[in-house]
Amino acid sequence: AQSVTQLDSHVSVSEGTPVLLRCNYSSSYSPSLFWYVQHPNKGLQLLLKYTSAATLVKGINGFEAEFKKSETSFHLTKPSAHMSDAAEYFCVVSDTGGATNKLIFGTGTLLAVQP
Amino acid sequence: GAVVSQHPSWVICKSGTSVKIECRSLDFQATTMFWYRQFPKQSLMLMATSNEGSKATYEQGVEKDKFLINHASLTLSTLTVTSAHPEDSSFYICSARGGGLGDTQYFGPGTRLTVL
Repeated sequence: AQSVTQLDSHVSVSEGTPVLLRCNYSSSYSPSLFWYVQHPNKGLQLLLKYTSAATLVKGINGFEAEFKKSETSFHLTKPSAHMSDAAEYFCVVSDTGGATNKLIFGTGTLLAVQP
Repeated sequence: GAVVSQHPSWVICKSGTSVKIECRSLDFQATTMFWYRQFPKQSLMLMATSNEGSKATYEQGVEKDKFLINHASLTLSTLTVTSAHPEDSSFYICSARGGGLGDTQYFGPGTRLTVL
């Protein structure tokens, strides 16, 4: 069965400094992995997804993530944080072994950006 | 592209009444729609999966008679919370997949339900 673990519930960075949000996954199949962002009282926006093509995935708003099979990780990074990046981030794995390809969510990482 | 809307964005109702939430895919045909529930400061919990023209598949522990889901067309799914109670207060989010967009789910903006 697939699962995903977000290693930090809260991350705080200063504006202009790098962002690292950590995610480890467990999967019996070749996984599809996603990062979604949720701003307060809003729905989820897809940042990027990995589907067994290039291991370094570039997303929107300057975010990228690297799929590392040996480490079962899919960490999200951004070189320079903006105030607008403050939000909740979810690492998600798709249950590709199931008929419905359900999404399995991590518990989320709340990113705070200090001025 | 791949825009999903929800209506209403927030609703307040009295205990015992029923509330209907709509989820629409605006620019693609959604063969599958999903309904999630999110409690404050928690992750999303999948409630049910619905395919157009079929009965919804509910996750374990979700009462199908309380949370009625209808997916009558390729662009519309509805969630009706029947006889709502304060413990049903939550943020309900739908997502949609299909229209040649692969297995990516596109999420609506959510509906905040408060039951008094």
